[in-house]
Amino acid sequence: DVKVTQSSRYLVKRTGEKVFLECVQDMDHENMFWYRQDPGLGLRLIYFSYDVKMKEKGDIPEGYSVSREKKERFSLILESASTNQTSMYLCASSLPITQGRGYTFGSGTRLTVV
Amino acid sequence: AQRVTQPEKLLSVFKGAPVELKCNYSYSGSPELFWYVQYSRQRLQLLLRHISRESIKGFTADLNKGETSFHLKKPFAQEEDSAMYYCALRGYNNNDMRFGAGTRLTVKP
Repeated sequence: DVKVTQSSRYLVKRTGEKVFLECVQDMDHENMFWYRQDPGLGLRLIYFSYDVKMKEKGDIPEGYSVSREKKERFSLILESASTNQTSMYLCASSLPITQGRGYTFGSGTRLTVV
Repeated sequence: AQRVTQPEKLLSVFKGAPVELKCNYSYSGSPELFWYVQYSRQRLQLLLRHISRESIKGFTADLNKGETSFHLKKPFAQEEDSAMYYCALRGYNNNDMRFGAGTRLTVKP
């Protein structure tokens, strides 16, 4: 019954590496989102997309990029990983706002940059 | 700008006691407010939305536009309510949502 799947539960990467976090949803949702979750800071929006090949910056896009080539897949890219990007990354998807629903979240990817 | 404030990082109550998790927001337009919950080792999930005016698992929340608040309440807390709770806001015509820092609720036996 899994609807939003994040490809890795845990990742350990070295400083300077290019990192890809993958997210796939099977609900035909238009909107997809990437957040990072840090204790005491809650969820902070990195990027989101409301259509294929469309992307919008969130509140903390620096050091990240995204790709949405297909409706069901939204990738987060860390161009050159740094230790301050060690975090839990959450992907979410939703229907258009006109349908007034909330988000469906993935189980998260815990990334450690060493 | 959208901003959500949850003033309590930690909240601890005894089983059967009332519980209130506070949420205040800042937004110039018409907001949609949500509460999300994350139980231990589970994914974040929607608890309730102000639009639907529903009660889920005994929890209710009322949007108070005058006080810009959306506090979550339950009259009798249960141990299984122990979790991390996030308040979230979405602008009326926006796709993106902003979350508060979260409140960890612990219900003691």
